Amino acid sequence: DAGVIQSPRHEVTEMGQEVTLRCKPISGHNSLFWYRQTMMRGLELLIYFNNNVPIDDSGMPEDRFSAKMPNASFSTLKIQPSEPRDSAVYFCASRLGQMNTEAFFGQGTRLTVV
Amino acid sequence: AQSVTQPDIHITVSEGASLELRCNYSYGATPYLFWYVQSPGQGLQLLLKYFSGDTLVQGIKGFEAEFKRSQSSFNLRKPSVHWSDAAEYFCAVVSYSGNTPLVFGKGTRLSVIA
Repeated sequence: DAGVIQSPRHEVTEMGQEVTLRCKPISGHNSLFWYRQTMMRGLELLIYFNNNVPIDDSGMPEDRFSAKMPNASFSTLKIQPSEPRDSAVYFCASRLGQMNTEAFFGQGTRLTVV
Repeated sequence: AQSVTQPDIHITVSEGASLELRCNYSYGATPYLFWYVQSPGQGLQLLLKYFSGDTLVQGIKGFEAEFKRSQSSFNLRKPSVHWSDAAEYFCAVVSYSGNTPLVFGKGTRLSVIA
């Protein structure tokens, strides 16, 4: 398996623009997680899905952030409108089964909002 | 809610020296514990995990970690550090119930000097 695939790897956008980050989890994994990494706050969980259903989105910072998982092989994280403080590395991770298995991470998307 | 504390933000060791990275967790019951490593510009890779049984677990790249319930700790060790071990190390915990996500510590950056 190619692992968790995220696109794009880098994104530079202007403030106010819409940004869409994409994730393809490992085939067969039934849980998917979106994390944001910054120097100040480290790795923060934004939202996670189980069997394509959002379970907990309490980590989503504002209504400008939204995430979807239309099927088992694809998820998006959208920011609209984007702001400079959204600049961070966004990671997608997937996991098979319940809590006693590890999560596998994608390479991340480095977002810069200018 | 569970939490993870990594007291050391940055550690520098000499190549060939031993290493110990500290991790303390806060959780009412026995959690599942993980150590991940992140190289610059990369995603997170699992080093090792603890679920139950032997409290000393072996991982990849010569790392090991010991679970100490009395101290709520899960410290990572390596007897002899190589220059390629320079990276960011994250301790993570997941609760022993339900399909819950990993909660990460803030990370410890390891520098290796000749």
